[in-house]
Amino acid sequence: SAVISQKPSRDICQRGTSLTIQCQVDSQVTMMFWYRQQPGQSLTLIATANQGSEATYESGFVIDKFPISRPNLTFSTLTVSNMSPEDSSIYLCSVGSDTQYFGPGTRLTVL
Amino acid sequence: QKEVEQDPGPLSVPEGAIVSLNCTYSNSAFQYFMWYRQYSRKGPELLMYTYSSGNKEDGRFTAQVDKSSKYISLFIRDSQPSDSATYLCAMSRTSYDKVIFGPGTSLSVIP
Repeated sequence: SAVISQKPSRDICQRGTSLTIQCQVDSQVTMMFWYRQQPGQSLTLIATANQGSEATYESGFVIDKFPISRPNLTFSTLTVSNMSPEDSSIYLCSVGSDTQYFGPGTRLTVL
Repeated sequence: QKEVEQDPGPLSVPEGAIVSLNCTYSNSAFQYFMWYRQYSRKGPELLMYTYSSGNKEDGRFTAQVDKSSKYISLFIRDSQPSDSATYLCAMSRTSYDKVIFGPGTSLSVIP
């Protein structure tokens, strides 16, 4: 199994600002994933973050809006840039081992 | 056609009832099948996962996978009000791969 922590757990931000979300795993993993869950919706994959290479983004998500860092095998960050109210969501990171484990999520509200 | 389909509900049952939640999928490459439970304003919690076809039981929960029909199910026996949540089916090609989620089924168990 894997234990994942995220910071911050929640935040309220102003339009036009940026927020960086941190994800820490208790073991070394090759791939980490970032998901978004908009209000009332299911989870949608934003990107896959491999250590030592550029993140791979899903259709509809771009690096300029959601830059990702993956400096080592236990840590990743996701930045939500130039935020608008439509970015209000829960952002979750996950890792795969025997199955997929998710962090507790970061609840973001953009005013 | 979406990769994963799930009846969004809402589903309302009396306490003690047997609940059946179902998903269909289109990608035959999926080998890992998960069920997550999500309470309001919380991140998803892994309930069960199975590999390939077959059944898996854990307490009051039973997961079934029929790969020939591309159909998975979660059964909840003796349902309790604390089971009231949104249930998300999810699947991936490998345990390390990105996960594709269904839209989720909202369940209410009435005392």
